Amino acid sequence: KNEVEQSPQNLTAQEGEFITINCSYSVGISALHWLQQHPGGGIVSLFMLSSGKKKHGRLIATINIQEKHSSLHITASHPRDSAVYICAVGIGAQKLVFGQGTRLTINP
Amino acid sequence: EPEVTQTPSHQVTQMGQEVILRCVPISNHLYFYWYRQILGQKVEFLVSFYNNEISEKSEIFDDQFSVERPDGSNFTLKIRSTKLEDSAMYFCASRGDSLEQYFGPGTRLTVT
Repeated sequence: KNEVEQSPQNLTAQEGEFITINCSYSVGISALHWLQQHPGGGIVSLFMLSSGKKKHGRLIATINIQEKHSSLHITASHPRDSAVYICAVGIGAQKLVFGQGTRLTINP
Repeated sequence: EPEVTQTPSHQVTQMGQEVILRCVPISNHLYFYWYRQILGQKVEFLVSFYNNEISEKSEIFDDQFSVERPDGSNFTLKIRSTKLEDSAMYFCASRGDSLEQYFGPGTRLTVT
């Protein structure tokens, strides 16, 4: 069983739509990370959270520690948001365990 | 803004050859990591490094792999005798006291 599960695996939406990507995990974590990976391959950290909610521009991340669940929301989506979004959990202080990623495509 | 850098961006090597992938972490960071991503698969942890020694390694990180911090700035991953299945994107990451990790742009390793 994967320690980190994301859904959906693929998501296509129209520009302006509200996007939600979900992440569930099965292990004790030190923190949860949302990352963005563009076609060139580079990984950019969007959020790190261990409780509650964080907001950065049009992106919002929430986590429910009791439910072992996190969501990433994108408001007013734009074609430039098209990327792979990855949920990763920190195990202790030493490593990240990654989900398989959600490929998001926003059509104009 | 400080960033993690990696060289080369793309390395092509023949099976059985040794490769060294290089990373320059953010200068005041103390924790260093290598991850890899085989094409079409998820990112996997390889090894973490702190205080000049390996803190944790995955089962992927067998005797063919080694890491080193040869000076105050570089952090290297060596694969002694590459196999076809070592073809992947290799990411270096570093962090300071916060748990947030900063990733380099990756090195694409192609083993032929």
